[in-house]
Amino acid sequence: GAGVSQSPRYKVAKRGQDVALRCDPISGHVSLFWYQQALGQGPEFLTYFQNEAQLDKSGLPSDRFFAERPEGSVSTLKIQRTQQEDSAVYLCASTMGETQYFGPGTRLLVL
Amino acid sequence: QKEVEQNSGPLSVPEGAIASLNCTYSDRVSQSFFWYRQYSGKSPELIMSIYSNGDKEDGRFTAQLNKASQYVSLLIRDSQPSDSATYLCAVNPMEYGNKLVFGAGTILRVKS
Repeated sequence: GAGVSQSPRYKVAKRGQDVALRCDPISGHVSLFWYQQALGQGPEFLTYFQNEAQLDKSGLPSDRFFAERPEGSVSTLKIQRTQQEDSAVYLCASTMGETQYFGPGTRLLVL
Repeated sequence: QKEVEQNSGPLSVPEGAIASLNCTYSDRVSQSFFWYRQYSGKSPELIMSIYSNGDKEDGRFTAQLNKASQYVSLLIRDSQPSDSATYLCAVNPMEYGNKLVFGAGTILRVKS
């Protein structure tokens, strides 16, 4: 596709529910990043993949957060037992060189 | 702790004026710097990247970098109402994988 796509665009979850957020990177982009953006803040790094390898997960806030990219293309960010503080926009970016191209994000609201 | 600091604003400028956005960073090792524009409810869009000290111009945008002072800025000439957005400064701290560290952003309002 022409750009990074993410789904769903909006997700409302009840506290304690599990959610899965999908990212389709730009075709051919090796590196993929997940960021979390709280209201009024800049994006914060969560995790990074190079192809299917998760090389850095230092930004994941707790063990409830899990990401995978099994075939080196589509990635899924899973949040187990969602909490209200997980409410944020989750951004995926794929890279060409050092330039990161962001998807439209998934806006997660945990009630 | 690696930090990127920006004035949250809002910065209000009249149409046609020069808007000046500033950013400081704490990690001296950083070598790559980026300005992203983010409209409300949208994802960040890359405007400029800069890697060397000095100025880099692209149309109405000029990025300025001073590594000694750990300072990077973005100038927008002939500001238009369509430039009204949040401007995010991002720094690559040169850790493995090129992850970016973002500031909280400066809200720019261009008034017609």
